Amino acid sequence: AQSVSQHNHHVILSEAASLELGCNYSYGGTVNLFWYVQYPGQHLQLLLKYFSGDPLVKGIKGFEAEFIKSKFSFNLRKPSVQWSDTAEYFCAVNLNTGTASKLTFGTGTRLQVTL
Amino acid sequence: DGGITQSPKYLFRKEGQNVTLSCEQNLNHDAMYWYRQDPGQGLRLIYYSQIVNDFQKGDIAEGYSVSREKKESFPLTVTSAQKNPTAFYLCASSKRVGGFSEQYFGPGTRLTVT
Repeated sequence: AQSVSQHNHHVILSEAASLELGCNYSYGGTVNLFWYVQYPGQHLQLLLKYFSGDPLVKGIKGFEAEFIKSKFSFNLRKPSVQWSDTAEYFCAVNLNTGTASKLTFGTGTRLQVTL
Repeated sequence: DGGITQSPKYLFRKEGQNVTLSCEQNLNHDAMYWYRQDPGQGLRLIYYSQIVNDFQKGDIAEGYSVSREKKESFPLTVTSAQKNPTAFYLCASSKRVGGFSEQYFGPGTRLTVT
C-alpha cells in the first residue's frame, strides 16, 4: 500500500527565513501529488498540485514544490516565510490509475512563524 | 457561493449513542469523502462515494456508516461500535474519484464523546 511520510512534525521559523518541508512517498508507479494547508480555524485548502510536466510546481502565496521522481519526494519550499504562513501543511498522494482511487495523506507538519 | 457545508461545527454526545454528521455540497461534484483527523496522524479516509447510491469503505470504516441518496449530500453516522469516536471529521468532494481531480474540503465537525 502507498504511504506518505512527512518527517518534520513541528517547525518553528522566524519571519523572512526560508522554508523547506519534506514529503516522501512509497509507490513506484505514476502518482499525482498535492500539498494542502490548514490555517488556524479555516478549511483545508489546496496549496499546489503536480500531475505531469514541469516537476517544479508553483502554488499560491509564493509556495513551490519540486517533484523528484528518483527520490520519491515532493518537498514544499518558500524563500521567505511570513507570520501569516503559520498553519499545518499536509502532503498527499494519489495513484494515477485512471480508475477509482483515493488520496493518502501524510501526518502533517505544523509550521509556526515568529515575528 | 459554491462550497461544502458541514454541520454542526461542534457536537457532543454520550458514549453508546449513534450520531450523524451532515455534509452538503453545491459544487455538482460526483465524488464525496469522509476523513477523520487526529493530532499527529493526518487525515484518514473513512468512506467515499463515486456516485449516488454507491459508496466504498476507506481505510478506517469500522464503526461508521454512510448513505448517498442525493448527489449533494453524504451524511456520516458514527455508531456506538466506534471505539474512539472523539475526533475532527472532514468532508470533501471532487468532480470524480481519481488522480486528476482535486478534493475540496468542508470546515469540519469536531465530535466529542464522553
